[in-house]
Amino acid sequence: EAGVTQFPSHSVIEKGQTVTLRCDPISGHDNLYWYRRVMGKEIKFLLHFVKESKQDESGMPNNRFLAERTGGTYSTLKVQPAELEDSGVYFCASSQEPGGGVSNYGYTFGSGTRLTVV
Amino acid sequence: KQEVTQIPAALSVPEGENLVLNCSFTDSAIYNLQWFRQDPGKGLTSLLLIQSSQREQTSGRLNASLDKSSGRSTLYIAASQPGDSATYLCVPTKNYGQNFVFGPGTRLSVLP
Repeated sequence: EAGVTQFPSHSVIEKGQTVTLRCDPISGHDNLYWYRRVMGKEIKFLLHFVKESKQDESGMPNNRFLAERTGGTYSTLKVQPAELEDSGVYFCASSQEPGGGVSNYGYTFGSGTRLTVV
Repeated sequence: KQEVTQIPAALSVPEGENLVLNCSFTDSAIYNLQWFRQDPGKGLTSLLLIQSSQREQTSGRLNASLDKSSGRSTLYIAASQPGDSATYLCVPTKNYGQNFVFGPGTRLSVLP
């Protein structure tokens, strides 16, 4: 089974530019989540999709962040315009059930996208 | 609001020692609890998942216990190896709302 795929793995952009991160969840996983870890801080929830619908977007920091999940498959997270404080690692995760399910795998995380805004 | 604490924040031990990493959480109404490891520059790897009805799970040299009523979980690592060096994250989850909350992690260094 292919895992959760994120790309790019690294992105360096200038302040004010736009960046789009992509996440391909495990096929069949209706639940998709975005998280981020900014430098020196804990991993924080951004939002949760169930299929193509936003179940919970309470963690989105501001309106410079836009997440979409077209057709309930892959998801994109766009930052426009990027600011210095947006630098960090953005993780995507997927699960079959919202609570991680009964399997021993629960949530599966991608390897993350390291975003550096200069 | 769920708050997660992990103790110790950092740990450095010689190879071969047995370790206990502690996690406590404030909201015991969880669905399950998962332990992850994060390696520098890499993503998160799931280690163990304990359902709320279970008391423990074992995988190789790892054993995780859960005392849901007291809001505690421990991760036991037997015969530690340098390859175990990573940050270990405790993640209690619900099946609604902000589904899971990450602890701050324990940064483990196992010295050869």
